[in-house]
Amino acid sequence: KAGVTQTPRYLIKTRGQQVTLSCSPISGHRSVSWYQQTPGQGLQFLFEYFSETQRNKGNFPGRFSGRQFSNSRSEMNVSTLELGDSALYLCASSPRDRGTYEQYFGPGTRLTVT
Amino acid sequence: AQSVTQLDSQVPVFEEAPVELRCNYSSSVSVYLFWYVQYPNQGLQLLLKYLSGSTLVKGINGFEAEFNKSQTSFHLRKPSVHISDTAEYFCAVTMDTGRRALTFGSGTRLQVQP
Repeated sequence: KAGVTQTPRYLIKTRGQQVTLSCSPISGHRSVSWYQQTPGQGLQFLFEYFSETQRNKGNFPGRFSGRQFSNSRSEMNVSTLELGDSALYLCASSPRDRGTYEQYFGPGTRLTVT
Repeated sequence: AQSVTQLDSQVPVFEEAPVELRCNYSSSVSVYLFWYVQYPNQGLQLLLKYLSGSTLVKGINGFEAEFNKSQTSFHLRKPSVHISDTAEYFCAVTMDTGRRALTFGSGTRLQVQP
């Protein structure tokens, strides 16, 4: 099976702009979660989507949003970018079946805000 | 809420020596535990998981971990490391509540020297 894919891999944006990141989960996985990784804050959970509905949300401002499509692909959007949004954004997928709790990560999108 | 503590930010070790990376967690409910590895410029790869059953779990690349409920620990071990094991290792936990968000430790940088 192909792994989790994320596009683009690298992105440079200017403060105030918005950005959309894309994630395609492993085939058959219906849950997609997003995480932010920074040197200062480490790995932090952003949100999880399952069956096109947001199931959980981390402690991030409303500028961070996402959605999931019927084919389980997910997008994450950050509006009004700030310098502090520079990070590696990781997408993870899971079958979310009963008894499965592990998540499988993609290579990430490196976002740089200047 | 749960939390994860990785006591060692860096662990230098010589090639073919054994290594232990420490992880402690706190949670008021049952948890599921994971170790992930991150190589430079890559996403996270699942090394092993503890969901239930035997407290000694074996993972990929010769790694194993032991779940100790009384000490709330989940230390990662390898009897003989290789240069290729140089990477960042993350301990993670999720609760048995249906909320699938992973809470990560701050990571341990394993540096294998020749």
